[in-house]
Amino acid sequence: GENVEQHPSTLSVQEGDSAVIKCTYSDSASNYFPWYKQELGKRPQLIIDIRSNVGEKKDQRIAVTLNKTAKHFSLHITETQPEDSAVYFCAATLITSYGKLTFGQGTILTVHP
Amino acid sequence: NAGVTQTPKFRILKIGQSMTLQCTQDMNHNYMYWYRQDPGMGLKLIYYSVGAGITDKGEVPNGYNVSRSTTEDFPLRLELAAPSQTSVYFCASSRGGNQPQHFGDGTRLSIL
Repeated sequence: GENVEQHPSTLSVQEGDSAVIKCTYSDSASNYFPWYKQELGKRPQLIIDIRSNVGEKKDQRIAVTLNKTAKHFSLHITETQPEDSAVYFCAATLITSYGKLTFGQGTILTVHP
Repeated sequence: NAGVTQTPKFRILKIGQSMTLQCTQDMNHNYMYWYRQDPGMGLKLIYYSVGAGITDKGEVPNGYNVSRSTTEDFPLRLELAAPSQTSVYFCASSRGGNQPQHFGDGTRLSIL
C-alpha cells in the first residue's frame, strides 16, 4: 500500500517568514495530493490540493509543488501569520481507489509574532 | 447546510462495552469515510463507502463495523471496546474519489 512520509515534524518560524513542509510518497500511481490544516481540537480542513497533471498550484499565500519523478510534494506558506499556527497534514491517493487517503504524520507549525 | 455531523462529541466506555458513533451528511455525497486519529499522529482509514449498501475496509478495520443504508448516514460500530481503540474518530464525505473530503468535528472516545 501507499506510504507517506512528512518532514519536519515541528517547524518554528517568525511572523512574515516562509514555511516549507515536504512529503514523499511510495506509490508512483498516486495522483491526488491534498493538504489539510488542523487547529487544536478541531476538524482537519482542506487548504489546497493538487493532481498529478499539474506541477504547481497557488492560492494566495499558499502553494503546493509536485515532483512526480522524485515522488515528493511540498507545501509553501509565504508571509506567515500567527493564525497559520496549526498542524498540517499531507495525504496521497490514487484517484481510482475511491479517495482512500494515506496521511503523513503531521507537522506542527508555530508562527511567533 | 450543516455539512458532516458527528455524535456524540465525547464518550467514555468501559472495556468490553459496545457503542455506535453516528455520522450524517446533508451534502448528498456518495462517498463517506471513517478515520481514527491517535495523539500526535496522522489519520488512518477504518472503513469507507462509495454509496448506499456498499462498504469496504480501510487500513485499520479490526474491531469495527459499518453500515450504509442511506446516502446520508454512515454509522461506525465498536464491538467489545478495547483500550487500543481510545482515539479521536472523524467521519468525512466527498462527491467522488478525487474530490475534497469534508470532515465532521470528531468524536473523542476513551476506553478505560
